[in-house]
Amino acid sequence: ELKVEQNPLFLSMQEGKNYTIYCNYSTTSDRLYWYRQDPGKSLESLFVLLSNGAVKQEGRLMASLDTKARLSTLHITAAVHDLSATYFCAVDSGGGADGLTFGKGTHLIIQP
Amino acid sequence: KAGVTQTPRYLIKTRGQQVTLSCSPISGHRSVSWYQQTPGQGLQFLFEYFSETQRNKGNFPGRFSGRQFSNSRSEMNVSTLELGDSALYLCASSFGVEETQYFGPGTRLLVL
Repeated sequence: ELKVEQNPLFLSMQEGKNYTIYCNYSTTSDRLYWYRQDPGKSLESLFVLLSNGAVKQEGRLMASLDTKARLSTLHITAAVHDLSATYFCAVDSGGGADGLTFGKGTHLIIQP
Repeated sequence: KAGVTQTPRYLIKTRGQQVTLSCSPISGHRSVSWYQQTPGQGLQFLFEYFSETQRNKGNFPGRFSGRQFSNSRSEMNVSTLELGDSALYLCASSFGVEETQYFGPGTRLLVL
């Protein structure tokens, strides 16, 4: 059974600081996704990572994937208040037939 | 391009009733997946449909069922509702079975 663990689950940080969210998964995966969810809202797709060593960046967010370590990171650079949200990583174990397995999410609060 | 739409957005039912939720995918998308989100269990995969065929189902009882129509629209049905079925039900669509899933706004179901 595929398991996805995120840490930390809660993170409060100040604007301007850097931080990293970690996502570990238990079995070989075809692809890994990062999503953002604002309170009371749906999930917004941020990144899809398809291969070992993949790195994607959008604004102050950068995601990377190490398939050998079964680890993905989401790095936040010089955080701003607008990045406050819950961030989920999700793993597709293969073929898409089993759906996405999500981590429990990291609730990020960025204080001015 | 219009996003994934779900109806209704909010629903209140009583125990023992049944409910049908609807999802219209992004135009051109043929794969539709359903997820349940609760504070306790997080995001869990319900089922996925592609070209009117259910490809797989998550670990949910038979009270949860779904279908997909020829225009890719999908419905899910929950019979004999229980209090624990209160959740946000999210529909996601993708072009193919191994493509990025785009989520709708969700249907928030409250069972009293």
